[in-house]
Amino acid sequence: QVQLVESGGGVVLPGGSLRLSCVASGFTFRSYGMHWVRQAPGRGLEWGAFIRHDGSSQYYADSVQGRFTISRDNSKNTVYLDMKTLRPDDTAVYYCVRSWGGQSPFDNWGQGTLVTVSS
Amino acid sequence: DIVMTQSPDSLAVSLGERATINCKSSQSVLDTSKNKNYLAWYQQKPGHPPKLLISWASTRESGVPDRFSGSGSATDFTLTISSLQAEDVAIYYCHQYYVTPPWTFGQGTKVEI
Repeated sequence: QVQLVESGGGVVLPGGSLRLSCVASGFTFRSYGMHWVRQAPGRGLEWGAFIRHDGSSQYYADSVQGRFTISRDNSKNTVYLDMKTLRPDDTAVYYCVRSWGGQSPFDNWGQGTLVTVSS
Repeated sequence: DIVMTQSPDSLAVSLGERATINCKSSQSVLDTSKNKNYLAWYQQKPGHPPKLLISWASTRESGVPDRFSGSGSATDFTLTISSLQAEDVAIYYCHQYYVTPPWTFGQGTKVEI
């Protein structure tokens, strides 16, 4: 069955950096686009970043553009989110999400990893 | 960007009764050449990630009970739970994946008993 397992969350100071990882299994990873979607405590869902199946293109929400970088290693079935210049409003659960392509529903979600930006 | 607006923000429904959630997009998510609406519904229970219930506005995912149904087209969509069960207590989100980036969600509708 499809599994997406995130890791790398934790507490970080404002202005700090963090790298999230998501290891995929149970499907042909190199065939799927991957997203990061975040959810601040008690709030709704906010899309953050997308990378195409082959890593050829990446897209970002305005709120993270220039600070976050999405990448993938298809040989390791892993997608990453490098986050820098973190702010308190980046505090959220970050979900790794699969979709067939850019115009496809988000059909599988990881359990999420919590990032807390606080002094 | 397409803005997705759900109504109501919350609703309380008795067990066995119908729950109706509306979602309106600020522009059409219908691809007329393919006759497909790029609209999905997700269910999120407390402490869990969202789960895809319905895609393409009305296609139920495998394993989703048939009491869940989606309808609508272009800019106006509805998620209906025909007979609410206790396990349906959750927050429901609509999502457009037509005009991207960004991929956008409604603000969520909390369904309670």
